[in-house]
Amino acid sequence: QQQVKQSPQSLIVQKGGISIINCAYENTAFDYFPWYQQFPGKGPALLIAIRPDVSEKKEGRFTISFNKSAKQFSLHIMDSQPGDSATYFCAAGSYQLTFGKGTKLSVIP
Amino acid sequence: GAGVSQTPSNKVTEKGKYVELRCDPISGHTALYWYRQSLGQGPEFLIYFQGTGAADDSGLPNDRFFAVRPEGSVSTLKIQRTERGDSAVYLCASSPQLTNTGELFFGEGSRLTVL
Repeated sequence: QQQVKQSPQSLIVQKGGISIINCAYENTAFDYFPWYQQFPGKGPALLIAIRPDVSEKKEGRFTISFNKSAKQFSLHIMDSQPGDSATYFCAAGSYQLTFGKGTKLSVIP
Repeated sequence: GAGVSQTPSNKVTEKGKYVELRCDPISGHTALYWYRQSLGQGPEFLIYFQGTGAADDSGLPNDRFFAVRPEGSVSTLKIQRTERGDSAVYLCASSPQLTNTGELFFGEGSRLTVL
């Protein structure tokens, strides 16, 4: 049973554009929702995270929007740059995390 | 080192063989996690330790998989009678304490290929 569904599978955005990745979860007990960024051959690295008591969190060019009633959350990358090209994973959980399948983002100049 | 260290970085073995994968967490981190990442998939939880004890091993797929952390620092993931389906990148992560902040520090992984 896939508990965290992520879309799209891949995304191509022009430099300067907005990248949007969506996730949906099923388990209402989840209380922590991080996004991880992974470059080829590297381990995932925490990008930004949110708790369900807030609807939005912004850190620099990265924003998480969270909709508790819909059990959905999304990552927005403003002013996308070629260096943002990577695979992004949403995750949800508490002490252990359930990850989505990932979104491969390509930012073209 | 400053980060989570995993060895070997690559391991090729034959079906039926025994494999050990090692994880050296960030110094002082008490919580340690193992995840498995198959090609094109997100990391899948296997087990986590708080100190020396396994706090949750519900993600281990079957009894061929076992992990230890005898002194509360380095951990070893052991796979017996390997199968081709075990081929994946095995990721280790650590955090300063057992926490629900989700801030895991991952290593670069050990890529296991079972022929």
